[in-house]
Amino acid sequence: QKEVEQNSGPLSVPEGAIASLNCTYSDRVSQSFFWYRQYSGKSPELIMSIYSNGDKEDGRFTAQLNKASQYVSLLIRDSQPSDSATYLCAVSGGTSYGKLTFGQGTILTVHP
Amino acid sequence: GAVVSQHPSRVICKSGTSVKIECRSLDFQATTMFWYRQFPKQSLMLMATSNEGSKATYEQGVEKDKFLINHASLTLSTLTVTSAHPEDSSFYICSATPGPTWDEQYFGPGTRLTVT
Repeated sequence: QKEVEQNSGPLSVPEGAIASLNCTYSDRVSQSFFWYRQYSGKSPELIMSIYSNGDKEDGRFTAQLNKASQYVSLLIRDSQPSDSATYLCAVSGGTSYGKLTFGQGTILTVHP
Repeated sequence: GAVVSQHPSRVICKSGTSVKIECRSLDFQATTMFWYRQFPKQSLMLMATSNEGSKATYEQGVEKDKFLINHASLTLSTLTVTSAHPEDSSFYICSATPGPTWDEQYFGPGTRLTVT
């Protein structure tokens, strides 16, 4: 069983729509959850971090965390072509404190 | 804030030579730095964790004698790929975190290594 699993994608949405990205994790005692965006040929860029259950909003991005279900998601509202990238879910804490464990990534394409 | 730089951004070397990659935190002191490798169409794989002033901790399957890591100061860590082979060609990315209880990692721009 993979430690961090993301919906495989690729995900394609029209411009202006909501893109929904999902992630599950296996280590029940994980404490910190992150979403990174990675453009092709570039390194990851941190876009959201979330630590407690519920929603966290930052501009067009909303992260949702449900520790009981071991599930974290990222919603991108009013998607733009510039949002087209690979989105990486990362988890730390618990048995791997301080180290990030990444999911395999979901490729998002926003088409005009 | 939280800017991490890497140098070089791209390097081509011949098989059997060694290559050094530098990772610097520009506006914060990084107690811990991490080195990752990413092959095409794959996710990041952690290679090692580097703490200032102590030996790096390598992940299972990573050869510590081949990938030498030095974290000599709170703003600089280096990765040396020794006796590089074509299979070492990859995208190497470092990240840094400001403190032991701070787990947001900030990534450098990466170094693309090609071994011919």
